[in-house]
Amino acid sequence: SQQGEEDPQALSIQEGENATMNCSYKTSINNLQWYRQNSGRGLVHLILIRSNEREKHSGRLRVTLDTSKKSSSLLITASRAADTASYFCATDEGSGAQKLVFGQGTRLTINP
Amino acid sequence: AAGVIQSPRHLIKEKRETATLKCYPIPRHDTVYWYQQGPGQDPQFLISFYEKMQSDKGSIPDRFSAQQFSDYHSELNMSSLELGDSALYFCASSFVTGYTFGSGTRLTVV
Repeated sequence: SQQGEEDPQALSIQEGENATMNCSYKTSINNLQWYRQNSGRGLVHLILIRSNEREKHSGRLRVTLDTSKKSSSLLITASRAADTASYFCATDEGSGAQKLVFGQGTRLTINP
Repeated sequence: AAGVIQSPRHLIKEKRETATLKCYPIPRHDTVYWYQQGPGQDPQFLISFYEKMQSDKGSIPDRFSAQQFSDYHSELNMSSLELGDSALYFCASSFVTGYTFGSGTRLTVV
């Protein structure tokens, strides 16, 4: 199975609610990133958390990283219809510029 | 600010034809990556180049080849196209750390 597996695969919530998506990985990492992708469009970088960080915030986004459990979570607070998209985690296994290994993604639907 | 430019945005080819995708990285970025994303799938790493030399190779079919030129742009060449090659192909560039993805080329093989 792949590095960076995501849970749940699909999530549907009401506007204004919080959305939490989880990601697990298998190997040691240098950092973990979260990306957003609108249907069939490009990958938009949301946030990067380094292996020595435990939590990071950016606007309505909160990312946590637990290297002992090899897992990360992305929380989107006060969700909006425009947050509807697929969200992927991606891990970078080495130092310096390295390929990214993506998880399968969570399809998030925000219902107005 | 300049982003990663990919061309073309859309491409339709018939089976067994050849396709060439181009990627223009952000100026001064020294590493280029190619990813393939099939319908409903996560992006899969294909190949990367650092300073015009291949630096890593993923699940890239033998029918595909790529190179990075002296101006740092990269081209992904795909021959004997198959229906299963229909996908979104992303290029990304980086310098030390930090990725920037292009908007992708959607290849449809009919």
